[in-house]
Amino acid sequence: AQSVTQLDSQVPVFEEAPVELRCNYSSSVSVYLFWYVQYPNQGLQLLLKYLSGSTLVESINGFEAEFNKSQTSFHLRKPSVHISDTAEYFCAVRSLTGGFKTIFGAGTRLFVKA
Amino acid sequence: GAGVSQSPSNKVTEKGKDVELRCDPISGHTALYWYRQSLGQGLEFLIYFQGNSAPDKSGLPSDRFSAERTGGSVSTLTIQRTQQEDSAVYLCASSRGQNTGELFFGEGSRLTVL
Repeated sequence: AQSVTQLDSQVPVFEEAPVELRCNYSSSVSVYLFWYVQYPNQGLQLLLKYLSGSTLVESINGFEAEFNKSQTSFHLRKPSVHISDTAEYFCAVRSLTGGFKTIFGAGTRLFVKA
Repeated sequence: GAGVSQSPSNKVTEKGKDVELRCDPISGHTALYWYRQSLGQGLEFLIYFQGNSAPDKSGLPSDRFSAERTGGSVSTLTIQRTQQEDSAVYLCASSRGQNTGELFFGEGSRLTVL
């Protein structure tokens, strides 16, 4: 069985500052990893995903995440945040062999202040 | 339709009543998921379908919860004898059924049990 831990429930940060949202997972098999974002009053949407290959993956709006197998982590980072990045971010995991079941973390609320 | 459609968007019911929540996935998507989102609890996996079959029902909280999918398309989540702790947003998502594929979420059905 897989599980996902997001270590911070809320992260307040000033605009243009860097941010890291932490995600650790537990699984006995290899996994795919995802970050989803939920903007205020909107549905969840995919931000980025790691399937294979390069361990560093990027989104179109400047976020990146690095898969670290030894630490079972998939932390999300952005070097300079904008007010518009205020949202809830969810880390998710799916095993390579267990069908399509996808498990989500509890979410991290990123609040960007002017 | 263009996206995942859920109905009703809001449902207020009295304790002990039965409710049905409906999900219409994106056309051609073979995998369909139900999650429950409660304040501070993140996304709780309930069940997923591959076609009309449900390989994993492990997330259903109790035998009051059931779900079915017919024709490989529309799914219904039924909660019998609702309790106040069932109050939450119920999210449906669909995907193409590839293990690497992203989930596309609906706007959710907000259930309030009085």
